[in-house]
Amino acid sequence: ELKVEQNPLFLSMQEGKNYTIYCNYSTTSDRLYWYRQDPGKSLESLFVLLSNGAVKQEGRLMASLDTKARLSTLHITAAVHDLSATYFCAVGHAGGTSYGKLTFGQGTILTVHP
Amino acid sequence: NAGVTQTPKFQVLKTGQSMTLQCAQDMNHNSMYWYRQDPGMGLRLIYYSASEGTTDKGEVPNGYNVSRLNKREFSLRLESAAPSQTSVYFCASNSWVAGANVLTFGAGSRLTVL
Repeated sequence: ELKVEQNPLFLSMQEGKNYTIYCNYSTTSDRLYWYRQDPGKSLESLFVLLSNGAVKQEGRLMASLDTKARLSTLHITAAVHDLSATYFCAVGHAGGTSYGKLTFGQGTILTVHP
Repeated sequence: NAGVTQTPKFQVLKTGQSMTLQCAQDMNHNSMYWYRQDPGMGLRLIYYSASEGTTDKGEVPNGYNVSRLNKREFSLRLESAAPSQTSVYFCASNSWVAGANVLTFGAGSRLTVL
């Protein structure tokens, strides 16, 4: 059974600081996703990581994937208030009958304050 | 282009009542999903439909039924609602883009069972 664990679950950051959110998963997969959710809103896709060593960056966010360690990281650089949200990682089920199913982590609630 | 549309957005039920959550997508996607979101637990897959005419159980199917009415529509039914089904429900559809699934989520349906 695929399990996905994120840490930390709560993150309070000062503006301008850097921090990393970690996502560990339990079984083989080559597809890892990061989503953002604002309070009361739906989920927005941030990154799709498809191979070992993949790195993607968008603004102050950078995501990476290590399939050997079954670990993905979401690094936040010089945080700003607009980044306050809940961040989820999600792992794709392997195999021909996966049909796009994803297993999500618990989510990390990020608050950026002055 | 509306994407994924869910109705209703909010619903309050009494224990034992039944209701159906509706979901429609206009992107011609084959696969559709119902997830529930609970605090600290991420999103958990209830049911999915890999294509028109097929449905399968996800991680937490008990107490729910689904219907894939046609390629556009995928409904979720609670036959006898229980307080444990108080949650936010998200419908999603899936496209295969450049070697990866891309899930598009609806806005969510917040259900309270008293």
